[in-house]
Amino acid sequence: SQKIEQNSEALNIQEGKTATLTCNYTNYSPAYLQWYRQDPGRGPVFLLLIRENEKEKRKERLKVTFDTTLKQSLFHITASQPADSATYLCARGSQGNLIFGKGTKLSVKP
Amino acid sequence: EAQVTQNPRYLITVTGKKLTVTCSQNMNHEYMSWYRQDPGLGLRQIYYSMNVEVTDKGDVPEGYKVSRKEKRNFPLILESPSPNQTSLYFCASSLGIGTDNGYTFGSGTRLTVV
Repeated sequence: SQKIEQNSEALNIQEGKTATLTCNYTNYSPAYLQWYRQDPGRGPVFLLLIRENEKEKRKERLKVTFDTTLKQSLFHITASQPADSATYLCARGSQGNLIFGKGTKLSVKP
Repeated sequence: EAQVTQNPRYLITVTGKKLTVTCSQNMNHEYMSWYRQDPGLGLRQIYYSMNVEVTDKGDVPEGYKVSRKEKRNFPLILESPSPNQTSLYFCASSLGIGTDNGYTFGSGTRLTVV
């Protein structure tokens, strides 16, 4: 089956450090991957989309990479802040059929 | 304000009593989708629609119906709710492929079936 997996359920880091979250996919080659942020009890918020022909994309303190050889996307938050604490979801898309990983809960300690 | 509006936000109902959760978007988006979110299982897609009168099953469509008669509305219908449909439901919409925009999600509907 076509899986999208976020291997870490939780990640704890110190304020100011770079957080790196991983998303792996198996048995297919997605045309693009998306990353979302979700706060407790609220709907996910779209952050970034990266296509298979793009190696890297940036938005302010966020950076996403897409490695089709490793079948992996990395999501980085530089100079992390306690306000970055949330669950981060990756998703693979095909037309309207957007499938999410289970997410990684990031905690940034002051 | 550009948004996806779901109603109701909270709903407690009894087994077997038909209900509809409404979803409306004001962004002229082509794609709309319904998800349920459960602890340990993450977000799972129920149904999605890529245009008016076009709907497709997601990963967990059993027990649900949808319709897309107008572009802006995508209601979720539970004909005979059961306790295993107790969950947090999200509606979402998107411009579609070919853009760098992802899905915009609603605020969620917390459904309890007793």
